[in-house]
Amino acid sequence: ETGVTQTPRHLVMGMTNKKSLKCEQHLGHNAMYWYKQSAKKPLELMFVYNFKEQTENNSVPSRFSPECPNSSHLFLHLHTLQPEDSALYLCASSPGTSGDTQYFGPGTRLTVL
Amino acid sequence: AQSVAQPEDQVNVAEGNPLTVKCTYSVSGNPYLFWYVQYPNRGLQFLLKYITGDNLVKGSYGFEAEFNKSQTSFHLKKPSALVSDSALYFCALQSGGSYIPTFGRGTSLIVHP
Repeated sequence: ETGVTQTPRHLVMGMTNKKSLKCEQHLGHNAMYWYKQSAKKPLELMFVYNFKEQTENNSVPSRFSPECPNSSHLFLHLHTLQPEDSALYLCASSPGTSGDTQYFGPGTRLTVL
Repeated sequence: AQSVAQPEDQVNVAEGNPLTVKCTYSVSGNPYLFWYVQYPNRGLQFLLKYITGDNLVKGSYGFEAEFNKSQTSFHLKKPSALVSDSALYFCALQSGGSYIPTFGRGTSLIVHP
């Protein structure tokens, strides 16, 4: 987890709220990722950015909107979420080449009421 | 298409006994294989990886894994389990020049005192 930070660590929001999750990496990596981890389900890759360009969007609903202003920062903008979106949202980074290790942040625990 | 299977949702072992967490994979081409560990309410942490070379890979906290090409397996092992090893373990695969991993479903390791 060292080198990748996520804020906030916990978030409770209503279905009509708009909030954002923030991820920052201090490792000089080029690729950044958002994952969703729900109880009893596999880790789900949501979005991938490489050199600030989105390279993967795994059929994520439009109520999740990613933003990558530079290689060090990644945001996930949330609006009109559903209770089933409650999960641990993990950010990761890697250098961006095959064989690279991913470095994960501690995650944001999201609860949608 | 590539895939990773972790056939056991949970592995129970007594402290001091050897442990094995299983992982098999399917891929065309050469695989890059990883193990990550996740403690409660934390992000994933890198344990070890196989890229090329010696089939026996040693990693953090006394863990090791053996790449077996004929059986398409990459099982995680430790000679003597500790209670503090109790966590969720993920096997991951990269191949074909992609830097984006495919993760297994995870195996919960419980080490009993």
